[in-house]
Amino acid sequence: NAGVMQNPRHLVRRRGQEARLRCSPMKGHSHVYWYRQLPEEGLKFMVYLQKENIIDESGMPKERFSAEFPKEGPSILRIQQVVRGDSAAYFCASSPPTAPGGLREKLFFGSGTQLSVL
Amino acid sequence: KQEVTQIPAALSVPEGENLVLNCSFTDSAIYNLQWFRQDPGKGLTSLLLIQSSQREQTSGRLNASLDKSSGRSTLYIAASQPGDSATYLCAVRPDSNYQLIWGAGTKLIIKP
Repeated sequence: NAGVMQNPRHLVRRRGQEARLRCSPMKGHSHVYWYRQLPEEGLKFMVYLQKENIIDESGMPKERFSAEFPKEGPSILRIQQVVRGDSAAYFCASSPPTAPGGLREKLFFGSGTQLSVL
Repeated sequence: KQEVTQIPAALSVPEGENLVLNCSFTDSAIYNLQWFRQDPGKGLTSLLLIQSSQREQTSGRLNASLDKSSGRSTLYIAASQPGDSATYLCAVRPDSNYQLIWGAGTKLIIKP
């Protein structure tokens, strides 16, 4: 039973390029969360998605960042026109579909994608 | 606004010692609290989850306690081993909210 899979593990981009980060949740999980960890800081919530729906994107910067979780395939976090300040570790977590909202469930995290912007 | 603080930021102890890591939060209205371990390049591993109605959880040499009224949780590690070296993160799930609020972590080094 594979865990949460994130790829790539490391991503290097030059300023102005696009970054695409992928997350495949655990089998049977339909809730996906993205968190960002800046150096020497705690993780910060970015976005919460269910299949084909963005439930809460209050933690995402208004510009350049977008996320999706299509019916088929992994969840994608997309950062357009990256800047040096986007350099961070991006973690994806998933949880199973329980009512209401899966609040009692543990989150299972992937290994993260380390984004470095040159 | 919920804030989570972890003290100390770093800790180095000899192998075999028992130790306590601290986590404090400002708003006692939480749904649960989770302790994670973060290893470089290996992501986050959930260690223990304590629901708001619980006082403690145990797993092997780990014991986590929760005192909601005082806004505190501790992670107790018994008979520490070099393999316990990692950063330990505390995360709080506020009441009726799925977002986790994280501490900055305690970096633990166990010296052989």
